[in-house]
Amino acid sequence: DAGVIQSPRHEVTEMGQEVTLRCKPISGHDYLFWYRQTMMRGLELLIYFNNNVPIDDSGMPEDRFSAKMPNASFSTLKIQPSEPRDSAVYFCASSLRGTGGGLLHFGNGTRLTVT
Amino acid sequence: SQQGEEDPQALSIQEGENATMNCSYKTSINNLQWYRQNSGRGLVHLILIRSNEREKHSGRLRVTLDTSKKSSSLLITASRAADTASYFCATERSSNTGKLIFGQGTTLQVKP
Repeated sequence: DAGVIQSPRHEVTEMGQEVTLRCKPISGHDYLFWYRQTMMRGLELLIYFNNNVPIDDSGMPEDRFSAKMPNASFSTLKIQPSEPRDSAVYFCASSLRGTGGGLLHFGNGTRLTVT
Repeated sequence: SQQGEEDPQALSIQEGENATMNCSYKTSINNLQWYRQNSGRGLVHLILIRSNEREKHSGRLRVTLDTSKKSSSLLITASRAADTASYFCATERSSNTGKLIFGQGTTLQVKP
């Protein structure tokens, strides 16, 4: 099991550019989460999917952020246009809920720097 | 909005000592989970305790849950330098949506 795979690991871009973060969840998992981590705000849930369907996107900060999950093995988080305040570490996590509650498996994150 | 709040924010102990971290939350929950994060890495799940459970053990970890006080504690016994990391609690609300909200975390330093 390769775990949750995120790419790229680091992204440096200029303000106004489009940024796309990618995530491959663990095969068979039915939930996928996108979190953002900063020193000031901690870990914030941006959006999560169940069986590829967005369930709750109330954490998405602005219309500049969008997320998709076209199939069970791939998700993207896009920021267009990017701003310096978007600089953070973005984590993708997946889980298989079953009847026991979902344990999240995290990727190693994408560190985004917007200059 | 943050559901969990950890206390203390930072903790420094000597190897061999026990470390206790606390988590408080605001709403009814389905379960509470603890995660660990090493610097530069993603979070790793440690233990899950359901709302009808009061205590769970896993190796050197002991978790308690007091739903009347809306609080949980994580005890790491006989700490090692390798336990140095940040520890987060996360709660799933009783609506059972699958949505996990994390607290701000406790940074633990274990000195050799």
